[in-house]
Amino acid sequence: DTGVSQDPRHKITKRGQNVTFRCDPISEHNRLYWYRQTLGQGPEFLTYFQNEAQLEKSRLLSDRFSAERPKGSFSTLEIQRTEQGDSAMYLCASSRQNSEQYFGPGTRLTVT
Amino acid sequence: DQQVKQNSPSLSVQEGRISILNCDYTNSMFDYFLWYKKYPAEGPTFLISISSIKDKNEDGRFTVFLNKSAKHLSLHIVPSQPGDSAVYFCAASVGEKLTFGTGTRLTIIP
Repeated sequence: DTGVSQDPRHKITKRGQNVTFRCDPISEHNRLYWYRQTLGQGPEFLTYFQNEAQLEKSRLLSDRFSAERPKGSFSTLEIQRTEQGDSAMYLCASSRQNSEQYFGPGTRLTVT
Repeated sequence: DQQVKQNSPSLSVQEGRISILNCDYTNSMFDYFLWYKKYPAEGPTFLISISSIKDKNEDGRFTVFLNKSAKHLSLHIVPSQPGDSAVYFCAASVGEKLTFGTGTRLTIIP
């Protein structure tokens, strides 16, 4: 049983650098989601895809953030010109239509 | 604007007893509610869900209750086991977007 996988698990970067994270969903799931979680908070919705189409974006997703899901399979989340406030756990989830979301282990980003 | 609230940051329960975790919400448009469990260094794991047209859903040791008039959700775990020690998040959705509470850390005392 292959769950949602994310790479890398940890990323340390200097302020101003660009970073990219990858998410591989459960293979039969057509929906993919990105969330961000900071210390002491629950995950906060960033964006979601149905197949390759990005259908909703949160206002948390500033213009420094971009997400793609080419061919409706894996997805990438890129953060340009990172800031210390971007330090968080970035979680990816996937689901079938009208079904529960299953989360990956997350990528912990630290911006120094 | 915290639309989903878990007012108890932590809860300790004796092994074998019932654990009750609570959650309140403000958005009456939410139509689906879920509970997730999270261990350190892992992503949230789906536990149980309930549609807004129901008031109870049961799965083994886990039961979720929904009181729409009070905008209140609870998760009952009975009997509690040491492996249940984790952070529990309630979440609510309208459409595809999940809105999470801040979590309750449950500790089961052997």
